[in-house]
Amino acid sequence: DGGITQSPKYLFRKEGQNVTLSCEQNLNHDAMYWYRQDPGQGLRLIYYSQIVNDFQKGDIAEGYSVSREKKESFPLTVTSAQKNPTAFYLCASSMGVTTEAFFGQGTRLTVV
Amino acid sequence: AQSVAQPEDQVNVAEGNPLTVKCTYSVSGNPYLFWYVQYPNRGLQFLLKYITGDNLVKGSYGFEAEFNKSQTSFHLKKPSALVSDSALYFCAVRDPYNNNDMRFGAGTRLTVKP
Repeated sequence: DGGITQSPKYLFRKEGQNVTLSCEQNLNHDAMYWYRQDPGQGLRLIYYSQIVNDFQKGDIAEGYSVSREKKESFPLTVTSAQKNPTAFYLCASSMGVTTEAFFGQGTRLTVV
Repeated sequence: AQSVAQPEDQVNVAEGNPLTVKCTYSVSGNPYLFWYVQYPNRGLQFLLKYITGDNLVKGSYGFEAEFNKSQTSFHLKKPSALVSDSALYFCAVRDPYNNNDMRFGAGTRLTVKP
């Protein structure tokens, strides 16, 4: 069954810890994206990647890091430098510039 | 960079009435425009898109949208709302000359009352 999978669904982080959110797609899409969703602010772009081993910062990249070693995978690390990481994180992929993005079900990260 | 504005945080309509969710955009070139819907604690689902051609595009679940270049708008419409249409709606834009990133509006919460 083709799609995009995010894990875990819920994640709890202690102050000062780094955590990694997983995003895997089997749609053979070139482009992948990470968004952060906060109430009333819509989706804000963290990072995106158009091809393996290449990625660009979005509007709110500070405190986050990514890698794109495989076409199928685009993990996001929330570092201790991100001061307010509690949010809903969405990963997406698309084939090209004229095609729609497919979204995962999201990961809700909470700092405890 | 490209941007999208959704001027209404909330839209309320009665079931059976037509609905409109507004979206305006800003890009340097010709825009690629998208509408998505989100149900609670879920990812976004694609509804429809405008790439080129006919200004009126039809999508999933009876939704349609009209592209208006002079007003830089791409409003989402449905002739007869259903209670099940209640959700959060997002407009998105891609600027094909700007690295393929996709930017979203803040979202509009649609509530359809029986």
